[in-house]
Amino acid sequence: GDSVTQMEGPVTLSEEAFLTINCTYTATGYPSLFWYVQYPGEGLQLLLKATKADDKGSNKGFEATYRKETTSFHLEKGSVQVSDSAVYFCALLKGTYKYIFGTGTRLKVLA
Amino acid sequence: GAGVSQSPRYKVAKRGQDVALRCDPISGHVSLFWYQQALGQGPEFLTYFQNEAQLDKSGLPSDRFFAERPEGSVSTLKIQRTQQEDSAVYLCASSLGEAKNIQYFGAGTRLSVL
Repeated sequence: GDSVTQMEGPVTLSEEAFLTINCTYTATGYPSLFWYVQYPGEGLQLLLKATKADDKGSNKGFEATYRKETTSFHLEKGSVQVSDSAVYFCALLKGTYKYIFGTGTRLKVLA
Repeated sequence: GAGVSQSPRYKVAKRGQDVALRCDPISGHVSLFWYQQALGQGPEFLTYFQNEAQLDKSGLPSDRFFAERPEGSVSTLKIQRTQQEDSAVYLCASSLGEAKNIQYFGAGTRLSVL
């Protein structure tokens, strides 16, 4: 069945470091791909998305490119801030509404 | 309210008790979803409503789980005869109209079954 695999955390970085969180997927067809972020005590929020191969989603300095050939959607940010500390979830959309999420990666950014 | 509101935020139940979890979606949002998030896992789909109609309940893990949305707004997820394996965070999400892929999540209810 369809699935999403993302790197285990926690990922601990110093402020202004480069961030990569790996995400790969298994799916029939070409699903839309998403990154959601969950800040402490809050609900999941959509961070960015890509709907077809080679699309790049971007928001708040974060980017991810839909790579069909490697079935990947890695999240990157050039310079992280303490305020980016959160749990990041990679997800694919099965059909029109059913998300399949990865297990989440906790990011800690130290000042 | 401005966002999806869930209550209670925390619920402790003894094994065998029934529980009811409430979700207030964003006003005007037609679609509503429930997810279950076990410790260390990502959210897993439980059920989907469009207005008051429950169109998909394929993710409900057993017949002890029941969801309703009688007036097409507030929804309740009920778990009967709770078991320890029901311990999880239960997330509610809503979306506007046809854009069901853009879902707005509540902060969740953490259920602990002792």
